Amino acid sequence: DGGITQSPKYLFRKEGQNVTLSCEQNLNHDAMYWYRQDPGQGLRLIYYSQIVNDFQKGDIAEGYSVSREKKESFPLTVTSAQKNPTAFYLCASRVLAASTDTQYFGPGTRLTVL
Amino acid sequence: AQSVAQPEDQVNVAEGNPLTVKCTYSVSGNPYLFWYVQYPNRGLQFLLKYITGDNLVKGSYGFEAEFNKSQTSFHLKKPSALVSDSALYFCAVRDPGGYQKVTFGTGTKLQVIP
Repeated sequence: DGGITQSPKYLFRKEGQNVTLSCEQNLNHDAMYWYRQDPGQGLRLIYYSQIVNDFQKGDIAEGYSVSREKKESFPLTVTSAQKNPTAFYLCASRVLAASTDTQYFGPGTRLTVL
Repeated sequence: AQSVAQPEDQVNVAEGNPLTVKCTYSVSGNPYLFWYVQYPNRGLQFLLKYITGDNLVKGSYGFEAEFNKSQTSFHLKKPSALVSDSALYFCAVRDPGGYQKVTFGTGTKLQVIP
């Protein structure tokens, strides 16, 4: 899983609560991504960021928020507005250069809403 | 819009036999193509990529993939399957002319039978 850490590994949330998932990388990568993985649906992009203090919505950003105050960190907040948040969440990062276009993934956080 | 299709939810193969996991793509320009593998409750691990050059790409753990522009395919192959190859495999595409978004397929579960 490279130099990307995600915490916690498992997270339980009550309905109506916001919760923040941590993603940290020590690879000096420019871009960071958040994906949601559901069975049979593959990975869907929630948000991504190419530089500090800038981020873009992905395909399923509703009910989520992010920040990129430091290059190493890209936390994801799952808000109470997200109707079905139970899923496996993956963070990734990569260098923004065509010759090294590989994404490196963290180990994931499994979020369960009780 | 770019897209990736993995037509098989699951592929079963006997240990020692060759394996193929299929992937087709749709993108407006010349594609960047990737294969990743995921073991249970883990993040994705990079296997190989096609950026340009030789259509046959060799990657980690003895895997290779063939880029076929006319058929818009990028099938993953291995000459002799191992039980330890059993995992979930994802194909992904990025249009280098577009913004920095990578689109993943829905995944194919590979089961290697002893």
